[in-house]
Amino acid sequence: GQNIDQPTEMTATEGAIVQINCTYQTSGFNGLFWYQQHAGEAPTFLSYNVLDGLEEKGRFSSFLSRSKGYSYLLLKELQMKDSASYLCAVMDSNYQLIWGAGTKLIIKP
Amino acid sequence: IAGITQAPTSQILAAGRRMTLRCTQDMRHNAMYWYRQDLGLGLRLIHYSNTAGTTGKGEVPDGYSVSRANTDDFPLTLASAVPSQTSVYFCASSDGIQGNEQFFGPGTRLTVL
Repeated sequence: GQNIDQPTEMTATEGAIVQINCTYQTSGFNGLFWYQQHAGEAPTFLSYNVLDGLEEKGRFSSFLSRSKGYSYLLLKELQMKDSASYLCAVMDSNYQLIWGAGTKLIIKP
Repeated sequence: IAGITQAPTSQILAAGRRMTLRCTQDMRHNAMYWYRQDLGLGLRLIHYSNTAGTTGKGEVPDGYSVSRANTDDFPLTLASAVPSQTSVYFCASSDGIQGNEQFFGPGTRLTVL
């Protein structure tokens, strides 16, 4: 079966760095996405990795290792507005997204 | 319109009633999707359409139907609602299907009693 695993909840301090991990087992792989979802709102796109390595975009970076079925999202210089759920999704061989349940990130001052 | 709109924003529905959730996008995206989001679970794909005139079944299609008569609109119909269809429904679109980000509508919160 297809499976995406990520921690249910994480807590971090304003100004700090946090790493959210995602492991996956899917039928085929056509890229991995990270989305941010604030409570009561729609998911919004953060990053896309299809090749191994690190993609940096401002305060956010995403890493992929296809051989390990592993990705992480790194958030630096945390701000209170980063409190949200972070969703990991893998595009399978049918070009459909398989979604993890999301990691709720709580930022404390 | 800018992006994707969904209607209604929320709805309370009696079991057994028919309901259509509306979705419209103005980005001329070929692909559109319907997901449901339930607490503790990831987004689950209900139906999708890779281009106008075609539709396909996702992970949880039972009890739902869709149509794609044109590029912009992708309505989702519940023929006879049941309480297990209580959920938040998101419509999304993408410009192609290979590695393109999906843009999401604001969602419809549906309660079936």
